[in-house]
Amino acid sequence: DTGVSQDPRHKITKRGQNVTFRCDPISEHNRLYWYRQTLGQGPEFLTYFQNEAQLEKSRLLSNRFSAERPKGSFSTLEIQRTEQGDSAMYLCASSSGLFISGANVLTFGAGSRLTVL
Amino acid sequence: QQQVKQSPQSLIVQKGGISIINCAYENTAFDYFPWYQQFPGKGPALLIAIRPDVSEKKEGRFTISFNKSAKQFSLHIMDSQPGDSATYFCAAAFTGNQFYFGTGTSLTVIP
Repeated sequence: DTGVSQDPRHKITKRGQNVTFRCDPISEHNRLYWYRQTLGQGPEFLTYFQNEAQLEKSRLLSNRFSAERPKGSFSTLEIQRTEQGDSAMYLCASSSGLFISGANVLTFGAGSRLTVL
Repeated sequence: QQQVKQSPQSLIVQKGGISIINCAYENTAFDYFPWYQQFPGKGPALLIAIRPDVSEKKEGRFTISFNKSAKQFSLHIMDSQPGDSATYFCAAAFTGNQFYFGTGTSLTVIP
């Protein structure tokens, strides 16, 4: 198992275009999270899945954003009609949902960096 | 509203010194407080975490001190090394679901 994989690592797009990011979590993890990180800031929660069910969505997730996890394995995050303010690092994380020594360990991927021109 | 406030924004420490990063939170319902370490071009990685029923947790050179009454917690890195140079984020969560992260501290350890 190579950890959480995200693709693409970098995406440059023009304003108004649609982009899609893919996340492959650790195979035995049933929880999957999407976060957004802008320069100099901590990750901000976007949404969270348990298996294929999307259980929480942040108010940051406007109607231009949609996330899916169709078979409870990989997930996609699509941004429609991108805006310059969408430029950020989009981080995916997964967890088993089991507290190990009191910890729900989130394992993050390396992120997908989006630049909107 | 920032749920977790972190300071300082940046920190420079001599090799062998102690690095201290502080965080404060508002919501007393938070029950899980992890610290993450992030190197450039990488995602954050869990460093150490604590639950509010203990006041201190130590793992190697890393210690979390937790003050429930003050709603504050801090990360202490003893014998800081150049390899510790990274950005550190504190976080708080409800039963480990939605995590709220601080704004990060950029640590530089000078050889």
